[in-house]
Amino acid sequence: NAGVTQTPKFQVLKTGQSMTLQCAQDMNHNSMYWYRQDPGMGLRLIYYSASEGTTDKGEVPNGYNVSRLNKREFSLRLESAAPSQTSVYFCASSGLGTGGRGEAFFGQGTRLTVV
Amino acid sequence: AQSVTQPDIHITVSEGASLELRCNYSYGATPYLFWYVQSPGQGLQLLLKYFSGDTLVQGIKGFEAEFKRSQSSFNLRKPSVHWSDAAEYFCAVGLLSGGYNKLIFGAGTRLAVHP
Repeated sequence: NAGVTQTPKFQVLKTGQSMTLQCAQDMNHNSMYWYRQDPGMGLRLIYYSASEGTTDKGEVPNGYNVSRLNKREFSLRLESAAPSQTSVYFCASSGLGTGGRGEAFFGQGTRLTVV
Repeated sequence: AQSVTQPDIHITVSEGASLELRCNYSYGATPYLFWYVQSPGQGLQLLLKYFSGDTLVQGIKGFEAEFKRSQSSFNLRKPSVHWSDAAEYFCAVGLLSGGYNKLIFGAGTRLAVHP
C-alpha cells in the first residue's frame, strides 16, 4: 500500500532552471494538493485539484504550474526557479469527504534547494 | 478569515511527563479539526480528528484531544511522553471551499523529549 509517492526526494537547482515534481496516489482519491513547508509558517497550499481535469490556485501559486495528468498523478512545475522557492514540498490527496471532513494523506516530501 | 494558531513554537518535556499542545482556531461554523504529526524527514501522519459528537477524541499512539467550543480550542494531550514522540505537530481546520476539502494549518509545534 504505497499511498502518496513523490519524486524526487531531494533536488538542488540553479536559479533559472526548471524542474517538475511528480506525485502519484493509489487510493483512488479525487482531490490532490501541493503544499510548501517553510520554517515557522506551517504548510501553505500552492495549487490543488478538486477532481480529475480541474486545477486551481491556492495561497501561494506564483512561480508554479501544475498538471493533473489523470486521477492518480498531479505534477508541480517550476519554470524558472528562484531562491525564494527553496522549501520542502508535499503532495497530498483526499477523498470526497463532505464539508471539509476529508482526511489528507501526505507524501514523504521533496526537499528543494535553489542556489 | 479562517486561521489556526499554535502558540508554542517549541516545547521540551522529559520522557514520562505529560504533554499538552495548544491549538486555537478562528472559524465561524463548527469546524472539522485535525492533528497531524511529522517525524524528521517524513511526511505528515494523521493523529486524530474531530467532526462532531463527543468532544474528547482518541487518536493513535496514545494521543487524545479535546474540543472546547467556548474557547475555540482543540488541544492535544498525552499522559506519558515517549522519546519517539519527538516530532513536529500540526493542528489544522478542515472546511469545504470552492468544491474541495481545504485544510488550514497552524505553524506547528516542535516537541523535544529529554531522557
